[in-house]
Amino acid sequence: QQQVKQSPQSLIVQKGGISIINCAYENTAFDYFPWYQQFPGKGPALLIAIRPDVSEKKEGRFTISFNKSAKQFSLHIMDSQPGDSATYFCAASNLDGGSQGNLIFGKGTKLSVKP
Amino acid sequence: GAVVSQHPSRVICKSGTSVKIECRSLDFQATTMFWYRQFPKQSLMLMATSNEGSKATYEQGVEKDKFLINHASLTLSTLTVTSAHPEDSSFYICSARGIDGYTFGSGTRLTVV
Repeated sequence: QQQVKQSPQSLIVQKGGISIINCAYENTAFDYFPWYQQFPGKGPALLIAIRPDVSEKKEGRFTISFNKSAKQFSLHIMDSQPGDSATYFCAASNLDGGSQGNLIFGKGTKLSVKP
Repeated sequence: GAVVSQHPSRVICKSGTSVKIECRSLDFQATTMFWYRQFPKQSLMLMATSNEGSKATYEQGVEKDKFLINHASLTLSTLTVTSAHPEDSSFYICSARGIDGYTFGSGTRLTVV
C-alpha cells in the first residue's frame, strides 16, 4: 500500500513535443504529490507539487494532473527542450499526518529530448 | 526557497576508515531529516529518518552501527559511515522536511578504495 508506481521507465521525445509521465498510488492517506527532477550527480530538485484538493496545477511548461478517484497523477512537460533531459521522480507522502511522514518515490523516468 | 546544504559533495576514503557527511537546512528549521542512498540508475532508497534530539529510525536492512546518524540541532544532521568498505560506495542524499514539503541536498558521492 506504500508503493508509488511510475511509468514509463524511459521516454524519448522530440524537441518541442509533450512529455508525459504517469504515477499511481495506493495509500489514500497521501496528501502531497511532488515531482522531482534529477540530473546526474545531483540531488533531486522539486519541480512542482500538488495537494489533493485540486485536479491540476501549472507552473510554466510543467503541469500536474491529479485524479483522486483513480489515485493517479501525471506530469506533463510542454514544449520539451533538450535541457529537460533528466530523470524524473514522482513521489507521495502524508505531509499533514505527523512529523515522521517520509516521501515514497516512484522508480523514476529517464527523459531524453532529442534536438 | 528552502535550501539544504550537503557536504562534502565528493569523498574518497580508504577501506576501514570512517566518513562523515553533513546536512544543513540553511533558512528553515527541520525537525525531521531523511537520509537516502541511491545506486546508479535507480530510485532513492530511504535509509533512516532522524528527528532532532532523538534516535534515528532505520529502515529494515540498514545497519545502524555502520551508518551513524546524529541530529543534534534543528538545522544539522550528520551521517557517519563507519569502517567503510567498497560496497558502501554510493550516492548519499539528505532531505529536510519543512512546513511546505521536502528539500534535498545536492548529494555526496562516496568512493571507498
